[in-house]
Parts: sequence; C-alpha cells; structure tokens
Amino acid sequence: DGGITQSPKYLFRKEGQNVTLSCEQNLNHDAMYWYRQDPGQGLRLIYYSQIVNDFQKGDIAEGYSVSREKKESFPLTVTSAQKNPTAFYLCASSIEGSNQPQHFGDGTRLSIL
Amino acid sequence: RKEVEQDPGPFNVPEGATVAFNCTYSNSASQSFFWYRQDCRKEPKLLMSVYSSGNEDGRFTAQLNRASQYISLLIRDSKLSDSATYLCVVDLSLSGGYNKLIFGAGTRLAVHP
Repeated sequence: DGGITQSPKYLFRKEGQNVTLSCEQNLNHDAMYWYRQDPGQGLRLIYYSQIVNDFQKGDIAEGYSVSREKKESFPLTVTSAQKNPTAFYLCASSIEGSNQPQHFGDGTRLSIL
Repeated sequence: RKEVEQDPGPFNVPEGATVAFNCTYSNSASQSFFWYRQDCRKEPKLLMSVYSSGNEDGRFTAQLNRASQYISLLIRDSKLSDSATYLCVVDLSLSGGYNKLIFGAGTRLAVHP
C-alpha cells in the first residue's frame, strides 16, 4: 500500500539531547513537509522540501533541522535549541505544484523527560 | 487577525441532524481550499476539496464564497462516526509552484445517540 510512514509513534527527549523523527513515503511525491501541532491550535509549518537536496524554512524553523538526501525520506531533527519541543509532529507529502492537497503520516508525539 | 478562522465548537448534535461549519480566510490571493477531518490524537485526513461552484460528496457539501472569503461545510444526516475535528485549510499557492497550506485550528463535532 502507498503511504507515509512516521516513526517512532512516541518519543521522549532528555534535556540537551537532539532527537530525529523519521518520515518515509512511497507515493512518489516530490514535495514533503513537517508540521507541528499543539493542543487547540492549527498545524504550523516547520520545514518543507520541493525536491531532493533542497529544503526551505517554514514559519517555525528555529530549533529544528532537516535533510532531503532521497526523494522518499525527509527526517526532522529536534535540536536542544528547541526549548519547547513537546508537541505532535506530522509529516506530509504532495504532488508538486499548486492546488494539490497534502497527505499525512500518522504522526510522532514528542515529550520531554 | 488569524489567516484562517473557525468556530472551535464543540458542536453537540444528535444523530440524523444537519450541521454546518463556517470558516473565513484573510488572504484574497488564496487559490485552493480543502476540508480535512482529524480524529482525536490522529493525523488529519483529506475530506474534500472545495470548488468555486460548490461540491457535494454523499452527505457532505462544501461551498466557497470568494467575495466574502468564506468557506462552509454542511453535513447531513449526521452519524456517530462523524464525531471528529474538522479543519478548514487554505492554499496560498506561492511562487515556484509551492503550495503553502494554512490550517485553521478546527471545529469539533460530537454526534450523540
């Protein structure tokens, strides 16, 4: 089945630690995105990538980093510089171009230990 | 003013009721519009795209009013399984073919027997 796989489902971070969230898709989509969702709020864009080896900052990129070495993969690292990392992280992908909906993985919940 | 505004609800309705959700957006350059459904602690899933002429998918009808910058979703004959949060999503269609989606915070629907 085609889809987007995020792992792990739950992740705990110790203070000062960097953690990496995985996102893999087999939909052959060019564009991939990372969002953060806090309770009672809409999704906020962290980073996005339209093609391999290229990515752009979203609205809340500080304290996060990404890479896009393969079309299928778009991992997100939450660095120790992100002081409030507890949230639900969602990865999405879409066909490149405007007017395209995005399709989501099932998310990773990150908490501070 | 938020870019996409929704009534947070909750809307508590009995099975079989008709319920309508409204959404307003601030950027008149927006090109595409979507409704997503998000179940508790799950990822958002595309419910339907919204077209200028309005569109229907079974019990769901979406309407767009560009002049008033207003989108609506009507659910007829509500089912218990319709209980979820409904996200209004607007596409800014930035240059370079990248579609930036702006998510509303969602309207919560609870359908009771």
